[in-house]
Amino acid sequence: SYELTQPPSVSVSPGQTARITCSQDALPKKYVTWYQQRSGQAPVLVIYDDIKRPSGIPERFSGSSSGTMATLTVSGAQVDDEADYYCYSTDSSGNHRVFGAGTKLTVL
Amino acid sequence: EAQLLESGGGLVQPGGSLRLSCAASGYTFIRYAMSWVRQTPGKGLEWVSGISGPGSTTYYADSVKGRFTISRDNSKNTLFLQMNSLRAEDTALYYCARDEPSAAGSWYIGLWGRGTPVTVSS
Repeated sequence: SYELTQPPSVSVSPGQTARITCSQDALPKKYVTWYQQRSGQAPVLVIYDDIKRPSGIPERFSGSSSGTMATLTVSGAQVDDEADYYCYSTDSSGNHRVFGAGTKLTVL
Repeated sequence: EAQLLESGGGLVQPGGSLRLSCAASGYTFIRYAMSWVRQTPGKGLEWVSGISGPGSTTYYADSVKGRFTISRDNSKNTLFLQMNSLRAEDTALYYCARDEPSAAGSWYIGLWGRGTPVTVSS
C-alpha cells in the first residue's frame, strides 16, 4: 500500500528554521498537502500542491519538493508553531488518500 | 461562512453499527467531493472514505472496506457514514471534510468539521 514517511519529531529553538520531510514510496510523485494540528483542534491547511500557501498562513511557512521528497519549512519558527504536522497525498490511482504518520514540532 | 457539523457519534459495542452525519452550510454542497477522516486518540490522521459531488463514486480505505458505507443527500446538504461490524480499532474522532480540487489537478482537504467521537467497547 502507498505510504508517506515523516520523521516522528523535529525540535528547534525559537527563531531557527525547522524542516519537516515527507517521503513518498512510489512514482509517479503526487502533489503533497501539509496540515498543522494543535492539541485538541482540527487540522489547518498550511501548504497545498507542494508549494502553495493559502491566504492567512504566515509567510514563514513554505513548501518544496524534489524527487519523491516533499519538505515543509518553517523559517524563524515561533513557540506558537508547536504542533503536529501531517503530510497528505493520493495514491497512484488518485482514488485513495493517505496521511503521513505526523511530525511533532517542538520549538523551545 | 462555510461550515461542517458532524453528529451521531457515541458508544457502541463491538459488532454494532452507527451512522454518522455531517451537515454542510455556507456553500454549494453538490459542487464538492467529501471525505471522512478519523483520528485515534493520541495518534495520527487516517483517511477513511470519499465520495464525489453527485454521489456516484465512492472510495474506501482498506481498513473499512466492506464494513463502512459513505453516502450523501445533496437535497439536504448532508454527508453520511454508515459504520457496521464495528471493532475496537475503529474507536476514533471522526472528521467530516470537504475536498478541494487544485489548479494543478490534485485534491486536498480545505475545510474540516470539529469531529464526532466514536467509541467501540463492551
